[in-house]
Amino acid sequence: AQTVTQSQPEMSVQEAETVTLSCTYDTSESDYYLFWYKQPPSRQMILVIRQEAYKQQNATENRFSVNFQKAAKSFSLKISDSQLGDAAMYFCAYKGSGGSNYKLTFGKGTLLTVNP
Amino acid sequence: DGGITQSPKYLFRKEGQNVTLSCEQNLNHDAMYWYRQDPGQGLRLIYYSQIVNDFQKGDIAEGYSVSREKKESFPLTVTSAQKNPTAFYLCASSERTGYNSPLHFGNGTRLTVT
Repeated sequence: AQTVTQSQPEMSVQEAETVTLSCTYDTSESDYYLFWYKQPPSRQMILVIRQEAYKQQNATENRFSVNFQKAAKSFSLKISDSQLGDAAMYFCAYKGSGGSNYKLTFGKGTLLTVNP
Repeated sequence: DGGITQSPKYLFRKEGQNVTLSCEQNLNHDAMYWYRQDPGQGLRLIYYSQIVNDFQKGDIAEGYSVSREKKESFPLTVTSAQKNPTAFYLCASSERTGYNSPLHFGNGTRLTVT
């Protein structure tokens, strides 16, 4: 079974600085998607960024980018120029291409605090 | 605007009572899901449905039931058999169940059972 591990329960960053959130996963599949979701205090889950395993180029969405290392099964999220509105719980998630392609498997989350 | 609506936002029930959480989507998505979130945990899959009149158990289906009579609606019933029903419940949908189809989430329902 696929597992997703976020080793940092909490992180903090100063406003305008850069922070990197870590995520590792375990899978035997060769093709899959990886996602980062943000859950602010409102508790709605918001898709931040996604990466297909077959694409070598790291995904970027404005101030958010990923460092995808397929061999190491690592998928970190970098937030540049951090803003107060970035404060949230961040979840890394995996979706495989095999028999469990319906299922999004989540890590336990990293709580990000942004200090003014 | 298209989206997923969960109601109510907060729900209180006495132990031993069944309770139904509502989830409606107007995104014309085929697949719908129910996840449970507990403090310090990620999201865990309760049930999912790929098409109307079909649904499958997820990882923690015991004590829960669902129906999918309409494409837009996927209500979740928390039965008295669920031993720890107090949690935050999130409904989601995706265009299809394929691996390249991201999930879109509702705002959630906080259920408290005393």
